[in-house]
Amino acid sequence: GENVEQHPSTLSVQEGDSAVIKCTYSDSASNYFPWYKQELGKGPQLIIDIRSNVGEKKDQRIAVTLNKTAKHFSLHITETQPEDSAVYFCAASRGAQKLVFGQGTRLTINP
Amino acid sequence: DAGVIQSPRHEVTEMGQEVTLRCKPISGHDYLFWYRQTMMRGLELLIYFNNNVPIDDSGMPEDRFSAKMPNASFSTLKIQPSEPRDSAVYFCASSLPPWGGDPREQYFGPGTRLTVT
Repeated sequence: GENVEQHPSTLSVQEGDSAVIKCTYSDSASNYFPWYKQELGKGPQLIIDIRSNVGEKKDQRIAVTLNKTAKHFSLHITETQPEDSAVYFCAASRGAQKLVFGQGTRLTINP
Repeated sequence: DAGVIQSPRHEVTEMGQEVTLRCKPISGHDYLFWYRQTMMRGLELLIYFNNNVPIDDSGMPEDRFSAKMPNASFSTLKIQPSEPRDSAVYFCASSLPPWGGDPREQYFGPGTRLTVT
């Protein structure tokens, strides 16, 4: 079955700097890659997703890139703000509703 | 819409007791998912339903765990008997069906924090 590896497990950056979180997946048939943000005491919430027919997608300060050949995808957050502090999860799917999640990255934005 | 509703938000029970977690999905969502979150294992899919029918229960850890969806607006996850290693946060999520072969966003509830002593 699918296996998703996520790095780093923790990340600390200065406010205003950029943050990058990376994931690799094992199943070459996976074609949908969402990113979820989980704030303290809440459930995860979708922030951006990308499909395998697209190499990059951007939404304001966040962007996701996908390299199908290498089977990895990354989340980029620019101009980080205190409210970006949270746990971020990547996930992969073969086109069905079943998602396999990475282990999560705890991002801390230092003022 | 109120979003996905879970109850209780916190549950503390003794080992050996039965625990029932409840979920009300977003109205109109055909898919319902149960996840377990722990520090060691991250976010794991336990089971998911489509139109009230279990589709994949391969993530259910053992026979002590069971899930039902008697109607489109209610699902339960039951643990009997509970053990300390079941302590975790359990999330319910719901979604619309795939569109054109593309998965749709999953909406998560606030979770139930279960502690088994």
